[in-house]
This record gives sequence, C-alpha cells and structure tokens, in this order.
Amino acid sequence: SQQGEEDPQALSIQEGENATMNCSYKTSINNLQWYRQNSGRGLVHLILIRSNEREKHSGRLRVTLDTSKKSSSLLITASRAADTASYFCATDAKAYKLSFGAGTTVTVRA
Amino acid sequence: NAGVTQTPKFQVLKTGQSMTLQCAQDMNHEYMSWYRQDPGMGLRLIHYSVGAGITDQGEVPNGYNVSRSTTEDFPLRLLSAAPSQTSVYFCASRSGATEAFFGQGTRLTVV
Repeated sequence: SQQGEEDPQALSIQEGENATMNCSYKTSINNLQWYRQNSGRGLVHLILIRSNEREKHSGRLRVTLDTSKKSSSLLITASRAADTASYFCATDAKAYKLSFGAGTTVTVRA
Repeated sequence: NAGVTQTPKFQVLKTGQSMTLQCAQDMNHEYMSWYRQDPGMGLRLIHYSVGAGITDQGEVPNGYNVSRSTTEDFPLRLLSAAPSQTSVYFCASRSGATEAFFGQGTRLTVV
C-alpha cells in the first residue's frame, strides 16, 4: 500500500491564482518530498522538508509539514501555464525507500 | 552529467517473452530503485538497491528480477512478460536521504 495520499486528485485554476494540494501519510518519516511530472516525462524534484521542519520555501513554492497530523501541503503561488503537471508527495521513512502517493493533476488555464 | 539514463524508451513484448530494462547513473549514488507507474496509482516500488551487490524487494516485486554488480548500473529483468506488466517504468537514484533523480521512463506494452 502507498504511504502518501494526495488531495485533491485534480485541480483546475486560472493563471495567476494559487494552487494548494495536500498529502497525508501513515507512518513516521525522516523527510517528505514533492515532485512534479509533466505529461509522459520523468519526475523532477521540487522540494524536501525534514521531519523537524515546519515550513519551507523555494521560489513560488511553499511547503508545510505537520508531523502530529501526518500531513503536508504544497502551495504554488501566482500559477503559470507551465505549472500544468502532476504533483506527487513522497515520504522517506526507512531503508531509503521513497513511497509515492497517487498524485494531484493540476491544470492552469490561460 | 547525463544523470539517470534508461533504455529503451519504448518496448512492445509478447506474452511470455523476457527482456531487460537498462538503467545507468553517473552521479556515484549508492541508492537505486525501480518503480512502475500505472494510471491513477502513482509510483509503486518494485526493487531497490542500497549499494553494489545489495538488492531488496519493494512493494510489487513479483515477475521481476534485479542485480547490482556495479554502482552505476541497475538492470530490471522481466522473466516472462504478462499483460499486467504493461506500464511505465522509472529508474531513480539518490545519495542517502536526499532528493531522487529519475530517468525519463520506459513505456512497456505486453500483448
């Protein structure tokens, strides 16, 4: 079974709006990571947040982590057409095995 | 740097055939993994390796074999292809508990 679950499954927003997606997981983690996948391509790493961190920023990305609720959120501000992609959270629990959720598909409309 | 290179990009197999998906990385990463991606299911871990000569099973290992004779290479072997193995396969490498680098994937169809 997969460790992380993203919510919502799909999201459609207007260019310039913010996009928020959530990830819930089941077991204790060392860190949590977010990846982007453009259609038909490999996954690209976006951001890593360690279990002792609560918030992290990278450009237009903001990630939060609440280990007490076993949840994380990814916020993309001022979205662009190029942000259209699928976004996955991945939990890094033990033995260096990354476990991925099913992903959130984001569509940014011009 | 080339990063993680997977070959082939596309493959069609007949049921019962065997084949090897190749994965090579040039970043001297100790950890390498194989995932399969099916619609609506995210990535599921097939096998992984924490170093040359050391491999272990992931979430969905049945029907697949791996070996790791060098740090750079981590081939995935399909022993007797079945239609249920139709999927997109991704290889990834990483150095410890850090970001993973992915190949571009192999799209496999078993007919």
